[in-house]
Amino acid sequence: DVKVTQSSRYLVKRTGEKVFLECVQDMDHENMFWYRQDPGLGLRLIYFSYDVKMKEKGDIPEGYSVSREKKERFSLILESASTNQTSMYLCASSLAGTQYFGPGTRLTVL
Amino acid sequence: RKEVEQDPGPFNVPEGATVAFNCTYSNSASQSFFWYRQDCRKEPKLLMSVYSSGNEDGRFTAQLNRASQYISLLIRDSKLSDSATYLCVVITSGGSYIPTFGRGTSLIVHP
Repeated sequence: DVKVTQSSRYLVKRTGEKVFLECVQDMDHENMFWYRQDPGLGLRLIYFSYDVKMKEKGDIPEGYSVSREKKERFSLILESASTNQTSMYLCASSLAGTQYFGPGTRLTVL
Repeated sequence: RKEVEQDPGPFNVPEGATVAFNCTYSNSASQSFFWYRQDCRKEPKLLMSVYSSGNEDGRFTAQLNRASQYISLLIRDSKLSDSATYLCVVITSGGSYIPTFGRGTSLIVHP
């Protein structure tokens, strides 16, 4: 069975902190994605990666960076968290277009 | 103009009803289409792919109309457990399979 895990379900951070969100998949997928989901705005793509050490900006990359050192792991980094980054963060990996999501991290920035 | 549009709803239907959702897309080069289901406070999960000839999975039927650039999802004999948000996903031709998600249609099935 396909498995995508995220490091935390809930996270509370303070403004200005550096935040790491980790995502691991066990399906040997090449493509991985980070989204944020906000009420009324749907899923918005932050960054994606189609191979180790490769990354591409999505629709809303500002304020975020990513790291993909190993195929199974894709990390999202908030260099200096701000209150407008309070959101649900969803990681996904994909094969031939089908997306498999992790359970999400609800991040609150105070 | 949004690339993928859905009526947000909510669609409020009684158990046993038939309900249909549409999703329009703007890019004629779109080549792959999916419906995902998202329960409250959960991650989206693939419900079904949408094939050119249309496809059925139990009570669910998905169809694609390339000429009018929309896909549809029909749910027959609605169950309480069908209550969820249904997301339309479109992938445009290219090697990276980058999906575009609609904002979702909320379905509430009541007794």
